[in-house]
Amino acid sequence: DTGVSQDPRHKITKRGQNVTFRCDPISEHNRLYWYRQTLGQGPEFLTYFQNEAQLEKSRLLSDRFSAERPKGSFSTLEIQRTEQGDSAMYLCASSLVAQRKLFFGSGTQLSVL
Amino acid sequence: QQQVKQSPQSLIVQKGGISIINCAYENTAFDYFPWYQQFPGKGPALLIAIRPDVSEKKEGRFTISFNKSAKQFSLHIMDSQPGDSATYFCAASIRGEYDYKLSFGAGTTVTVRA
Repeated sequence: DTGVSQDPRHKITKRGQNVTFRCDPISEHNRLYWYRQTLGQGPEFLTYFQNEAQLEKSRLLSDRFSAERPKGSFSTLEIQRTEQGDSAMYLCASSLVAQRKLFFGSGTQLSVL
Repeated sequence: QQQVKQSPQSLIVQKGGISIINCAYENTAFDYFPWYQQFPGKGPALLIAIRPDVSEKKEGRFTISFNKSAKQFSLHIMDSQPGDSATYFCAASIRGEYDYKLSFGAGTTVTVRA
C-alpha cells in the first residue's frame, strides 16, 4: 500500500523547542496539503503545495511555522519555538490536480509540555 | 469561523439501526460536499461525496441527501454495523481556483452497539 506516510507518528517536546515533521505523499500526486486537527474538532487547513510551489498559507500558520516541498516530492513542516497551543495532530494529505479527493496520512501527534 | 456546522456531536445506535448526521453551510459558492470517516489513530478517509446538482447519492449502506435551498446535507448510514463506529466529518469546498481547500465540520462520533 503506497499511501501517504508521515513521520514521526508521535512527538513530545518541551515548550520552546523546534520540531520538524515529514510527509511522503502518494508518488504521482502533485498536490500536497497540511491540516491541523485538535481534539474534538475537524481538520483545519494550514497550507497547500502544487508541485514545489507553496500556493497558499492559512492565517493559522504563524511565522513560527514553515513548510517546504523541495523538488515537489516529500514535504516538511517545521514549528519553531513551540508553544503549548501547538499541541495537535498534524495531518498531511495529497491529491492529483483537478481531483478533489484527498488522501490523508495517519498524522503526527504533537504534544508540547 | 466554522463554515460548516455539523450535528450531533455524538450518537449511539444499535446494530442494524440507521445513523443520521446533519450538516449546514452558508457559503453558496460551495460546490463539493464530501464525507470523511476517521478511525482512532488514523487520518480521515473519503467515504462518499456529492455535488449540488443531485439531491441524493448512495454507495452501499451510505447515502448523502442534499437540500440546496436549505443549504443542508446529511449522511445516512443504513444497517449500522460495529465496524462503522468512527468519527464522521462533513466538509465542503468551493469551485474554481480554491477547490483544493476543504472546510470541515466538527465531527460526529458514531458508536454502534452490538
